[in-house]
Amino acid sequence: QVSLVDSGGGVVQPAASLRLSCAASGFDFTNYPMHWVRQAPGKGLEWVALISYDGTNTFYTDSVKGRFTISRDNSKNMVFLQMNSLKGVDTAVYYCARGIVPERGGFYFDLWGQGTLVSVSS
Amino acid sequence: EIVTTQIPVALSVSPGERVTLSCRTSQDVSDRLAWYQQKPGQAPRLLMYSASTRATGVPVRFSGSGSGTEFTLTISSLQSEDFAVYHCQQYNNWLGTFGQGTKVEIK
Repeated sequence: QVSLVDSGGGVVQPAASLRLSCAASGFDFTNYPMHWVRQAPGKGLEWVALISYDGTNTFYTDSVKGRFTISRDNSKNMVFLQMNSLKGVDTAVYYCARGIVPERGGFYFDLWGQGTLVSVSS
Repeated sequence: EIVTTQIPVALSVSPGERVTLSCRTSQDVSDRLAWYQQKPGQAPRLLMYSASTRATGVPVRFSGSGSGTEFTLTISSLQSEDFAVYHCQQYNNWLGTFGQGTKVEIK
């Protein structure tokens, strides 16, 4: 069965760190770029980070650059999001998502994890 | 940055009614728009891409249309399982942006 399973969320204080994990199964993981997308309470979806098929290229939304790091382990079909210097505005449900790159570039998401809640509060 | 706006934020609909949701982008994105359905406590599910192509397994009562800056998602006859939040996402530029979502509630 094709699936993504997110884990690693929790309640942390501002400036703390957290590492999210996403386990993929049921498809050829190395064929897809992978993303993290977040959703703050009562808000819309926001793309956070992207990692290429082989992990050599990564991209981030401006608000997390320098604080978050996306990585992947293709031998274990896993993708990670290391989050440092967390702020209250980072409070959200974080979803791992499989990216589809259409012919003319850009990306949309055809498979999502169930999400993991990150709450940053003092 | 391309701003993506969904109208309305919420609407109340009776089962069996036809529903039309709107998504607008601040710049021309051609047909490079996706729609997602999100039920409470669940992850989003891809419904539509390239503005009008249904994703695998999506019922035919869902249809998408539009190009440029104006897009619509239509549900021809709303079923009980369709009450959810619907998000649109443009992917014409590198950093695709989402609308804030439209919540379809039971009337």
